[in-house]
Amino acid sequence: GENVEQHPSTLSVQEGDSAVIKCTYSDSASNYFPWYKQELGKRPQLIIDIRSNVGEKKDQRIAVTLNKTAKHFSLHITETQPEDSAVYFCAAGPFSGGGADGLTFGKGTHLIIQP
Amino acid sequence: DGGITQSPKYLFRKEGQNVTLSCEQNLNHDAMYWYRQDPGQGLRLIYYSQIVNDFQKGDIAEGYSVSREKKESFPLTVTSAQKNPTAFYLCASSIRGLQNQPQHFGDGTRLSIL
Repeated sequence: GENVEQHPSTLSVQEGDSAVIKCTYSDSASNYFPWYKQELGKRPQLIIDIRSNVGEKKDQRIAVTLNKTAKHFSLHITETQPEDSAVYFCAAGPFSGGGADGLTFGKGTHLIIQP
Repeated sequence: DGGITQSPKYLFRKEGQNVTLSCEQNLNHDAMYWYRQDPGQGLRLIYYSQIVNDFQKGDIAEGYSVSREKKESFPLTVTSAQKNPTAFYLCASSIRGLQNQPQHFGDGTRLSIL
């Protein structure tokens, strides 16, 4: 099965600086890579996703890059703000004709924005 | 997402008891999922269903059971065979398409052992 590794487990950055979280996956059949943000005690919220036919995707201060050859993908947050503090999860999903298979998640990165 | 409702928010189980967690969605999504989250861990897939009356085991299905009799409902039963059930349980749903679609989560149920 798929195995997703996520690093670092904790990341502390100064407000206004950039943050980068990295994930690797093992199954070359995976082709869907979402990122979720989870605040304490709340539901995970999808913040951005990317498919394997795309190398990079941006949405305002957030970007995700994918290197399919190396089997790794990264989340980039620029101009960090206090409200970015949360746990971030990467995930990988296989190509599925049914378009509805479960995801394999990384263990999460606790992002701390220092004022 | 307001369209996915999990209940109860907190649940306590006695030894040897089965308990059922409810998940209802009004998003008209075909696919539904159950994940388990332990402290410091990612989410792990328990079961998922792509369509009514059909479901598949995920990575940690042992000790759990599900049913999918209605499109909007996907209840999870934690049986007495699950020896370490204390965790945060999250339900999700998505549309179906030619490829994987974004999953949207409920607020979760926190299960503890009495």
